[in-house]
Amino acid sequence: SYVLTQPPSVSVAPGQTATITCGGNNIESKRVHWYHQKPGQAPVVALYFDSDRPSGIPERFSGSNSGNTATLTISRVEAGDEADYYCQVWDSSSDHVVFGGGTKLTVL
Amino acid sequence: QVQLVESGGGVVQPGRSVRLSCAASGFTFSSFTMSWVRQAPGKGLEWVTFISYDGSKTYYADSVKGRFTISRDDSKNTLFLQMNSLRVEDTAVYHCVISTEVVAAFHHWGQGTLVTVSS
Repeated sequence: SYVLTQPPSVSVAPGQTATITCGGNNIESKRVHWYHQKPGQAPVVALYFDSDRPSGIPERFSGSNSGNTATLTISRVEAGDEADYYCQVWDSSSDHVVFGGGTKLTVL
Repeated sequence: QVQLVESGGGVVQPGRSVRLSCAASGFTFSSFTMSWVRQAPGKGLEWVTFISYDGSKTYYADSVKGRFTISRDDSKNTLFLQMNSLRVEDTAVYHCVISTEVVAAFHHWGQGTLVTVSS
């Protein structure tokens, strides 16, 4: 089955850039979605179809997908960005939705 | 606005069954694909199952295939998850989610209902 690999944690100082990766075999052939989740809340879409931002998500959030790695980049990180982040794809070979294990973003 | 309200969770013994419901409003229910996604306490997100907008296609995670059944009643704008032969590892918050198609993101989530499988 298809596997998505994320780093368990990423730490960044306010104002710096956070990079969260999502690794998968030939992931560039898939459409990647990113969610953020704060404690006690349901997940919210941060990016969809690799790099599209839903309304309400600031331009500081951007995404890319190439080769075996998709990346969520958060520029000028703020304390409010602290959350768990998950990547997700649809794997057509197994007819399964797949989530990455999640990355805890800590703002120092 | 879109609302998804799950119900039916609680404490259930291993091997028993429970049926979850998700009442949807604020959108044309029959036009959207629906899924259930669960999250065990302190753990990450796990997709459970998917049903197409017309109910013709259903997909299941390997961990629940043969035990769980997803269904929908478009006349009542309600999504269901029948969970049989429950195991301790099925303990989780179960979220109802919608998407426009199978490859699309889950743009709307319910707050979830907690199922605890314990003797």
